[in-house]
Amino acid sequence: EVQLVESGGGLVKPGRSLSLSCTASGFTFGDYAVSWFRQAPGKGLEWVGFIRSKAYGGTPQYAASVKGRFTISRDDSKGIAYLQMNSLKTEDTAVYYCSRRDIPDPCWGQGTLVTVSS
Amino acid sequence: DIQMTQSPSTLSASVGDRVTITCRASQRIDGWLAWYQQKPGKAPKLLIYDASSLESGVPSRFSGSGSGTEFTLTISSLQPDDFAVYYCQQYIAYGYTFGQGTKLEIK
Repeated sequence: EVQLVESGGGLVKPGRSLSLSCTASGFTFGDYAVSWFRQAPGKGLEWVGFIRSKAYGGTPQYAASVKGRFTISRDDSKGIAYLQMNSLKTEDTAVYYCSRRDIPDPCWGQGTLVTVSS
Repeated sequence: DIQMTQSPSTLSASVGDRVTITCRASQRIDGWLAWYQQKPGKAPKLLIYDASSLESGVPSRFSGSGSGTEFTLTISSLQPDDFAVYYCQQYIAYGYTFGQGTKLEIK
């Protein structure tokens, strides 16, 4: 079964850092890009960014709202993508989802909640 | 970023109704548009990609159309499981922006 599972969410103070993981199973992880999205409580969906597969350079792309603060990386040997979030702001509070590919894909994780609050 | 505007924001309908949700882009996106369904506490579910291609396993009562800047999602005969929030998303330009969502409610 194709599956993605996010982990690492929690409560963090403004200005601090947090790292999320997206663990894949059921498919050849290294062949695919991985995207991150988020959804603030009661709000709509927002694209955060993605990381290309190594075949396409393994490079990331970011939304303007997180560029310079968030870093997406991947470890194909472990089948995990990471979202390193630095200098967190209260407006980064959201459920964070990962999905397969850099274009719409039916494979999404269940999400992990990040709460940024003092 | 390309702005995506959905209408209506809320739609009240009954089981068996035919409903249409519209999504307008602030600039041309050709056919690079997807539709998602989201239920409370769940991840979005991909329904339609490339404006009109039905994702595998999605019931055929869902259909998408449009090109350029105006797109529609149609549900031909509403079923109880269809009451949810629907989002469109463009993926021609980074930002990959979503519409604000349309909440489909039971009348």
